[in-house]
Amino acid sequence: QVHLVQSGAEVKKPGSSVKVSCKASGGTFSTYIFNWVRQAPGQGLEWMGGIIPMFARGNYAQNFQGRLTVTTDESTRTAYMELSSLTFDDTAIYYCVIAVAGAFDVWGQGTMVSVSS
Amino acid sequence: DIQMTQSPSSLSASVGDRVTITCRASQGISYYVAWYQQKAGQVPKLLISAASTLQSGVPSRFSGSGSGTDFTLTISSLQPEDVATYYCQKYNNAPWTFGQGTKVEVK
Repeated sequence: QVHLVQSGAEVKKPGSSVKVSCKASGGTFSTYIFNWVRQAPGQGLEWMGGIIPMFARGNYAQNFQGRLTVTTDESTRTAYMELSSLTFDDTAIYYCVIAVAGAFDVWGQGTMVSVSS
Repeated sequence: DIQMTQSPSSLSASVGDRVTITCRASQGISYYVAWYQQKAGQVPKLLISAASTLQSGVPSRFSGSGSGTDFTLTISSLQPEDVATYYCQKYNNAPWTFGQGTKVEVK
């Protein structure tokens, strides 16, 4: 049974970067597809990007090309999401999600990122 | 990119009513659709994968159907605890796009 624990809430200035971590316990880390999904206040779910540790190459949504980097560290069983050039519109809850059997079946608890001057 | 268009955006129904939410893909995606339930202040929860496969522990009043471009989530008898926003998602390949969501309320 896989369980995901994300890092804590962040407050960032516009123009800065944020890095959110997601530690996985249980299961075969290298074979999972780690995805990042965000949800702005009162809005829907938005897929940002994903990575399979075994292949170590990220796949990114068009909206985030160039400022999103997703990585994994198999030694610590941790996935990371780094988003740069933050604007107020990046204020959201960021979820780490694993696709074990295809769909997004294991979710982290979410990390609130607030962008404020 | 393939778009997922969900309807309606919101609905209000009585306890015991049959509720249907639809999701249309802009191109055929076989059966690679999932449905999620998100209650207020909670993490989304996978209800259905592969268009119609109910996840373990999900009440049998939930069902999914469809293939190709048109998909449906049905709640056969709406219960108060079903108040939530429901999202469809394509997962045949990236980008793994979500629908806009359907907010379900009880009258």
